[in-house]
Formats: sequence, structure tokens, C-alpha cells
Amino acid sequence: AQKVTQAQTEISVVEKEDVTLDCVYETRDTTYYLFWYKQPPSGELVFLIRRNSFDEQNEISGRYSWNFQKSTSSFNFTITASQVVDSAVYFCALSGASSGGSYIPTFGRGTSLIVHP
Amino acid sequence: GAGVSQTPSNKVTEKGKYVELRCDPISGHTALYWYRQSLGQGPEFLIYFQGTGAADDSGLPNDRFFAVRPEGSVSTLKIQRTERGDSAVYLCASSLTGASRETQYFGPGTRLLVL
Repeated sequence: AQKVTQAQTEISVVEKEDVTLDCVYETRDTTYYLFWYKQPPSGELVFLIRRNSFDEQNEISGRYSWNFQKSTSSFNFTITASQVVDSAVYFCALSGASSGGSYIPTFGRGTSLIVHP
Repeated sequence: GAGVSQTPSNKVTEKGKYVELRCDPISGHTALYWYRQSLGQGPEFLIYFQGTGAADDSGLPNDRFFAVRPEGSVSTLKIQRTERGDSAVYLCASSLTGASRETQYFGPGTRLLVL
């Protein structure tokens, strides 16, 4: 069985603050993939990043950065200099073998980020 | 459009009725997924199609739920004898081949309310 835990239900920050969204996962698979998605108020999930279990290099994309630590089973997401447009629900997901044998993502419950002007 | 589309955007029905939700994936994507998202939760997997066939239906909650994809493109999720607990946002996603490393692209969802 696989599990994704996003312990932070809601985070509220003021614009230009840095913010880190936590993601902790559990899996017995040796090969798996980790994802972050953004869900703005419109409802459509927008893909942000994918990481495979063999690549622990951290990644930076503009104001976004991701810290993958296999030793602690964490895949945290940091937004630097947050902006109001970053306000959304962010989901971490783990893709491993489902009970049916396919690679189906398991999503965390999401963290709602509110950025105040 | 170039993305995944879903219709209707919203559906209100009465308990016991039958509903159909439609998903039009990205052109050329052979893999199609249905998820259900309840308020305050992440998407929960329902069923995965590879082409016309259901490759994995381990997430369907019971036999009231059924989905088809007869021509390997558009898919319809069918819910019989709806219950109030079926109220949720139903999300559809597609990916190119269904390989484990692939990114899934999501549609805007259908908000189902069962009264």
C-alpha cells in the first residue's frame, strides 16, 4: 500500500514571503514517481513537477524549488517570494503499483495556500 | 481545444437517478483515468483505460459505477441509483501511453450534486 501525507491543511502568508509545503510518502516499491500539482479555484489540476525515485537531485524552476529526501521519504515544495496568484490547493502524489497492478497516483489531501497582498 | 474536456460542468440530480459524465481526452492519448474528489480531499482513483479496455478498475466503489470507452477516445462514467454520498467532483485525466513515469493531464471536472 502507498500513502501520501500532507500534514499542513492550510497555510496563510503575506506576499513576498517564502513558503514550504511538506509532503511525506510511504511505499514498498523501489521504483516510484512523485508529483506536485496545483489546483487553482477553477478546479483544474495543473502539473508542476515529476521526480523518479532514483533521482534525488533538487530542482529549481523560477520561484519554485523541490527538495527530495529519500532518507526521510519527503518531497517538499518551496515557493520563494510568494505572489497572490500562487493561492491554490497544492497536491503531492505518488505513483506506484496499485492493487490492480497499474501505476496509479495516490494523492495527498492537499495543502491550501493563501497568499495575502 | 487542446486539453482534456469534461461535460457537463455541473450536474444536479435526485437520489436514485442515473447519471452519465463525459470525458474527452487529449487527442492521441491512449490512457484515460477517472478520479473522484470530495471536498477537502485529494483525487481518489476510480478506473483506468488503456485504449478501449479497462486496464484497472480497482478503484470503483461498487457495482453502481461503470465506465466505457468504446472507441478508445471519449469515455463515459455512468452512475446508477445515485446516492447522496456520490456527490463530489469527478475528474478525468489522460496521458500519452499510460507508462508509470508519464504525467497525467486533468480536465476541469464535473461537479455532481445528488439531492
